[in-house]
Amino acid sequence: GENVEQHPSTLSVQEGDSAVIKCTYSDSASNYFPWYKQELGKRPQLIIDIRSNVGEKKDQRIAVTLNKTAKHFSLHITETQPEDSAVYFCAASSRGGSYIPTFGRGTSLIVHP
Amino acid sequence: EPEVTQTPSHQVTQMGQEVILRCVPISNHLYFYWYRQILGQKVEFLVSFYNNEISEKSEIFDDQFSVERPDGSNFTLKIRSTKLEDSAMYFCASTGLGETQYFGPGTRLLVL
Repeated sequence: GENVEQHPSTLSVQEGDSAVIKCTYSDSASNYFPWYKQELGKRPQLIIDIRSNVGEKKDQRIAVTLNKTAKHFSLHITETQPEDSAVYFCAASSRGGSYIPTFGRGTSLIVHP
Repeated sequence: EPEVTQTPSHQVTQMGQEVILRCVPISNHLYFYWYRQILGQKVEFLVSFYNNEISEKSEIFDDQFSVERPDGSNFTLKIRSTKLEDSAMYFCASTGLGETQYFGPGTRLLVL
């Protein structure tokens, strides 16, 4: 089955700095890579996703890059703000009847004002 | 914007008791899922449900677990005889025709 590794487990930055979270996956059949943000005690919420036919996608301060050859993908947050503080999960999935994501272990991002 | 809802938000039960967690997926969605998140750990897939039957399940989803869609709106997860290690946050999710999964707010289950 799919195995997703995520690094770092914690990331502490100053407000205004950039943050980068990296994930690797094992199953070359995976073709959909969502990123979720989970605030303390809340549900995971999709913040951005990328499909395997695209190398990069950007949405305001958030961008995701995908390297299919190396089987890794990254989340980039620029100009971080305190409200970006949360746990971020990457996931990888492929369609086999339904998309069932395999999640990484999460990165706790702390943005210091 | 439509959201997935779950009840109850918290459930405390004694070991060995049965619990039923309830979810109302987004109304026009086709695929339904249950996930578990033990405190401080990652989200783990339990089961997916499509066309009134289980489409996939993980090794966590053993004979103690069952799912049901008793009517056109509810989707339930039953744990027959709870164990201490079943204590976790349980999330329901649903998808339409695309890949994006929409999560409910979760039910925090505590087994004593």
